Amino acid sequence: IAGITQAPTSQILAAGRRMTLRCTQDMRHNAMYWYRQDLGLGLRLIHYSNTAGTTGKGEVPDGYSVSRANTDDFPLTLASAVPSQTSVYFCASSTLAGELDTQYFGPGTRLTVL
Amino acid sequence: GQNIDQPTEMTATEGAIVQINCTYQTSGFNGLFWYQQHAGEAPTFLSYNVLDGLEEKGRFSSFLSRSKGYSYLLLKELQMKDSASYLCAVEDSNYQLIWGAGTKLIIKP
Repeated sequence: IAGITQAPTSQILAAGRRMTLRCTQDMRHNAMYWYRQDLGLGLRLIHYSNTAGTTGKGEVPDGYSVSRANTDDFPLTLASAVPSQTSVYFCASSTLAGELDTQYFGPGTRLTVL
Repeated sequence: GQNIDQPTEMTATEGAIVQINCTYQTSGFNGLFWYQQHAGEAPTFLSYNVLDGLEEKGRFSSFLSRSKGYSYLLLKELQMKDSASYLCAVEDSNYQLIWGAGTKLIIKP
């Protein structure tokens, strides 16, 4: 059982390019989340999905989009990358949404936008 | 606005006890979580508190006072592998986690 996997592990990207970060979980969790983590700041929620077919905006959604076509996959797309999107991106999942529930994290993607 | 405060960095000695504090102001409260994050790795769940009081899990304990908006994580019998960042997070009224910036704990022999 892999838990949550993310790809790529790291990426250097030219500004203006389009990029999709992949996230897959095999725990049959209903809820999935994308965070970014920057030095000196807490994890900030970008987008979330409470169940397949639904998505919602978090604290910092601008410049990012997500989709949730099935339970397992939750890709994050940067339509036109900018240097301020340089960060470490974590995908997470939890069993249930709308309840007190532990979130489990993937290993992260380190993205550098030049 | 929503705010989670915790010290940026703490230093402790192997074998000792350390207390990491967290204060919060959030839109509603459904629970408080503590996560551990080693450098370059993902956060991993340590504990959560819903009601006031102390929750003990082996060498780690977490305390909550909802009236004071305050929690602490207590680590006993410190080991070198406990060197990590400790993240405090509060689940708000929308069931979303609001995260502190984390406390980097340095353990010295």
